[in-house]
Amino acid sequence: NAGVMQNPRHLVRRRGQEARLRCSPMKGHSHVYWYRQLPEEGLKFMVYLQKENIIDESGMPKERFSAEFPKEGPSILRIQQVVRGDSAAYFCASSSGQGLYNEQFFGPGTRLTVL
Amino acid sequence: QQQVKQSPQSLIVQKGGISIINCAYENTAFDYFPWYQQFPGKGPALLIAIRPDVSEKKEGRFTISFNKSAKQFSLHIMDSQPGDSATYFCAASSGGSYIPTFGRGTSLIVHP
Repeated sequence: NAGVMQNPRHLVRRRGQEARLRCSPMKGHSHVYWYRQLPEEGLKFMVYLQKENIIDESGMPKERFSAEFPKEGPSILRIQQVVRGDSAAYFCASSSGQGLYNEQFFGPGTRLTVL
Repeated sequence: QQQVKQSPQSLIVQKGGISIINCAYENTAFDYFPWYQQFPGKGPALLIAIRPDVSEKKEGRFTISFNKSAKQFSLHIMDSQPGDSATYFCAASSGGSYIPTFGRGTSLIVHP
């Protein structure tokens, strides 16, 4: 049973370009979460999605960032017109949505570098 | 406002020693406290978790101690090994929330 998959693992973009990060949840999981991790900082929640729905985007910057989880295919985190401050590791997690504490399983992350 | 404070930021221990990482929280609604282990280039992985109805939970060399009145919890790694070298994150959540709040992490280095 494959775990959470993310690609690409490393992504380099120049300022002003678009970055697309993909996440395939664990088999049987329909809940996806995106987090951002800056050096020497913890994980910061960005957005929580279920299939075709955004449930909570309270951690998403108001501009340039968007996320989707279509009926078919992976979840996509999209960053438009990237700036150097977007350089970070972006982690996706998935869960089954069951159980009181809704354990999340993390992918290996995408490391975004903005030149 | 940081709701979960973690210390120390970094920790160096000799092989066979005890590693201790501490966390404190503010939100009394938190009732689930997981610890995550993250190796370089990897995503965080759940290591061990505790609920406030117990004061201690042990799994192998890893033990969580929980002090509800002080709103503090800690991770103890007994007989630390070089393979334990990683970043450790504490977190807290409540049954009514699906998003854990993470501490800033502790970078642990265990020297052989």
